[in-house]
Amino acid sequence: DIQMTQSPSSLSASVGDRVTITCRASQSVTYYLNWYQQKPGKAPELLIYAASSFQSGVPSRFSGSGSGTDFTLTISSLQPEDFATYYCQQSYSAPPTFGGGTKVEIK
Amino acid sequence: QVQLQESGPGLVKPSETLSLTCTVSGGSMSSYYWTWIRQPAGKGLEWIGRVYSNGSTNYNPSLKSRLTMSVDTSKNQFSLKLTSLTAADAAVYYCARDRSWGTAVTLDYWGQGTLVTVSP
Repeated sequence: DIQMTQSPSSLSASVGDRVTITCRASQSVTYYLNWYQQKPGKAPELLIYAASSFQSGVPSRFSGSGSGTDFTLTISSLQPEDFATYYCQQSYSAPPTFGGGTKVEIK
Repeated sequence: QVQLQESGPGLVKPSETLSLTCTVSGGSMSSYYWTWIRQPAGKGLEWIGRVYSNGSTNYNPSLKSRLTMSVDTSKNQFSLKLTSLTAADAAVYYCARDRSWGTAVTLDYWGQGTLVTVSP
């Protein structure tokens, strides 16, 4: 299975901050990389698919980049509703696998 | 708006079989993959497997020997059966729609999740 490693595992940030989360794959996944947001007690929601494409309805402050093994999710200006845990997920190779998550907390 | 809702027992005894159903509303099941994912308490997400609207399946190899998925498009439902449960199978189980083709997996609609506890 392809291992997905996210860093950091958690971070503290303030409203308005620029936040960057990284995801590294144990081998190339080309652009088969998605990002999800999960709030406590809720199901994950799709934010970004195919590394950099926006899911409908996702605010433009979220963006994704990267290809191959290294990917980034950026929140350009953190909003109160963005405090959550973020997961990357690859589907280049079966079975699809998720990163361990990055918890974004309020500073 | 597509909605998914999991149903099934919240408590299962060790060695017994877990049966969960996901009911889909607000859209057609045709031409999509329907997926199960689980999340142990305080941990990350694990893809369990998926069933296509024609009944074909893809399973996580780590669970394949214990897993059966099926779909009933006439009832707008798909199901999971996982046998020989242990404490390691305790988790929140989510159903989700996978809108991708082929090997890609993109989960765009999710159920709210159902907690499964494994205990005597």
